[in-house]
Amino acid sequence: GESVGLHLPTLSVQEGDNSIINCAYSNSASDYFIWYKQESGKGPQFIIDIRSNMDKRQGQRVTVLLNKTVKHLSLQIAATQPGDSAVYFCAETGRGGGSNYKLTFGKGTLLTVNP
Amino acid sequence: SQTIHQWPATLVQPVGSPLSLECTVEGTSNPNLYWYRQAAGRGLQLLFYSVGIGQISSEVPQNLSASRPQDRQFILSSKKLLLSDSGFYLCAWSRARTEAFFGQGTRLTVV
Repeated sequence: GESVGLHLPTLSVQEGDNSIINCAYSNSASDYFIWYKQESGKGPQFIIDIRSNMDKRQGQRVTVLLNKTVKHLSLQIAATQPGDSAVYFCAETGRGGGSNYKLTFGKGTLLTVNP
Repeated sequence: SQTIHQWPATLVQPVGSPLSLECTVEGTSNPNLYWYRQAAGRGLQLLFYSVGIGQISSEVPQNLSASRPQDRQFILSSKKLLLSDSGFYLCAWSRARTEAFFGQGTRLTVV
């Protein structure tokens, strides 16, 4: 079945640098995308989302870019901090029946921020 | 505000024993409910999701089952655990086409 995958399993950056985490998706019917951050031993936490009618969305220190032509999603973190070290997942919604949607996750990228 | 509770946080069970993990949501009604499993160093695999009481969709054939006896209660069960059932189990809730909110997870070790 279709799934969401990630280009890189690990990413190491220096504190203060910008981080870019990439994600490829294959379900052309997906219309809602989310980035989650998961710290060790905890459940994922919402970071930012974007709908398919948008190309870019900005939050606090984070920006999500969506390229529907090549089915690519990216998360940019500005001025990366040690507290940003975690596993980052992209997720997409596929139709789950009726007006409700199931949420499918990619494999995740481990971000390590070096002091 | 909405909250999601999942318990227990950790569980060690022998092979062949039954399993029951419970998840409850407060502060909302008729949520979409999800069970995910996460193996070490891996992504989140969707196991079951539910859009209403008694409505369960299974994503992956396996040794597990799910039930939703009440609107805000989602239970993950097994009659006989296998070693391969070990993992980090996460419950989540959402509204249609919005982000999902996760519980803190249950780390299950089958020995």
